[in-house]
Amino acid sequence: QLVLTQSPSASASLGASVKLTCTLSSGHNTYAIAWHQQQPERGPRFLMKVNSDGSHSKGDGIPERISGSSSGAERYLTISSLQSEDEADYYCQTWGTGMVFGGGTKLTVL
Amino acid sequence: AHLVESGGGLVQPGGSLRLSCAASGFTFSSYAMSWVRQAPGKGLEWVSTIIGSGSSAYYADSVKGRFTISRDNSMNTLYLQLNSLRAEDAAVYYCAKVSVRGVLMANFDCWGQGTLVTVSS
Repeated sequence: QLVLTQSPSASASLGASVKLTCTLSSGHNTYAIAWHQQQPERGPRFLMKVNSDGSHSKGDGIPERISGSSSGAERYLTISSLQSEDEADYYCQTWGTGMVFGGGTKLTVL
Repeated sequence: AHLVESGGGLVQPGGSLRLSCAASGFTFSSYAMSWVRQAPGKGLEWVSTIIGSGSSAYYADSVKGRFTISRDNSMNTLYLQLNSLRAEDAAVYYCAKVSVRGVLMANFDCWGQGTLVTVSS
């Protein structure tokens, strides 16, 4: 069964960096995923697609300080130079016979 | 690309509602479209996807047989008919565009702002 696992929460200080993880279920480590950001009281926003080889393609207007990478069954979202507006929920998404979302990670900027 | 949902509201358990999503800024008929919902305080849940032509659609098990996705490519509009509504269907419903032309399943690259469905007597 295709499942995505995310830690429920993460925190980092203003100006620091944070790396969020999305883990694919066993047998699915070649799947690409997408990262979406949801700021409070807003709809989700597409950030980037991350492939199994670590290559990634960003959505329009996504800054260079936001990047993606991969290792095995893990897909990462790294945000550098954290800003207050980065405080949001982050969801990973993949697809098979249907669309699958991870449970989301709530990022707090201290 | 731009998506705007409408049609949400308060409905009694067992009732029906039709949601709409107006699309602009891309060739609507070339892309699969989806509905995704988010219950209060919860994460994102995929509901349904329809291919660009409208000839095939897929549903989450939780809504199969109760919800129907459709599209009018002449009007650049996506629909979701919600029947036999339950309390657990209460959520913000988002429409989303699949990123790859002609492909049914891929990452979303554009989302609407959502429309709220409340199910209560």
